[in-house]
Amino acid sequence: QVQLVESGGGVVQPGRSLTLSCTASGFNFRSYGMHWVRQAPGKGLEWVAIIWYDGSKKYYADSVKGRFTISRDNSMSTLHLQMNTLKAEDTAVYYCVRELVDLVTFDYWGQGTLVTVSS
Amino acid sequence: QSALTQPASVSGSPGQSITISCTGTSSEVESYNLVSWYQQLPDKAPKLMIYEVNKRPSGVSNRFSGSKSGNMASLTISGLQAEDEADYYCCSYAGSSTVVFGGGTKLTVL
Repeated sequence: QVQLVESGGGVVQPGRSLTLSCTASGFNFRSYGMHWVRQAPGKGLEWVAIIWYDGSKKYYADSVKGRFTISRDNSMSTLHLQMNTLKAEDTAVYYCVRELVDLVTFDYWGQGTLVTVSS
Repeated sequence: QSALTQPASVSGSPGQSITISCTGTSSEVESYNLVSWYQQLPDKAPKLMIYEVNKRPSGVSNRFSGSKSGNMASLTISGLQAEDEADYYCCSYAGSSTVVFGGGTKLTVL
């Protein structure tokens, strides 16, 4: 069955960096676009970034553009999110999400990994 | 990339029908038939309920339906059940390969 398992979350100081990873299994990873979606504590969902199935295109929310980088390794079925210059407002649960079709249909979500930006 | 507008909360009694609205602009909801809806139970990851405005994934109850008119999309749940109590989020394509979510609606089953 499809599984998405995030890792790499934790507590980090403002201005520092952190890299999240997502290990996928149970499907042909290289055939799907992948996204990161986050959710601040007690708040709603916020789309973060997308990477095309082959890694050729990447797009970001304005709130993270220039600070976050999404990447993937299709040979290892892994998705990454490098987060630089972290701010308190980046504190959230980060979900790795598989796109079924048309950029906004997300059929599988990981369990999420919590990132806390605090001094 | 402003969030789509949803009511903060809605409620209904078992057996009734409720509708959750999702209001956007000509930049997203009105311009594309690419709206999806997600159900999030407490401390769980979201679950896809509706995609491409009104399509239901396999396994989702036919009590859930979606529609769109102009810049407003809607999720209707008929025959409300206690297990439907959750947070619901709409999501739309916003052009230039970006995505925007609604602020979320808490559904209470009375």
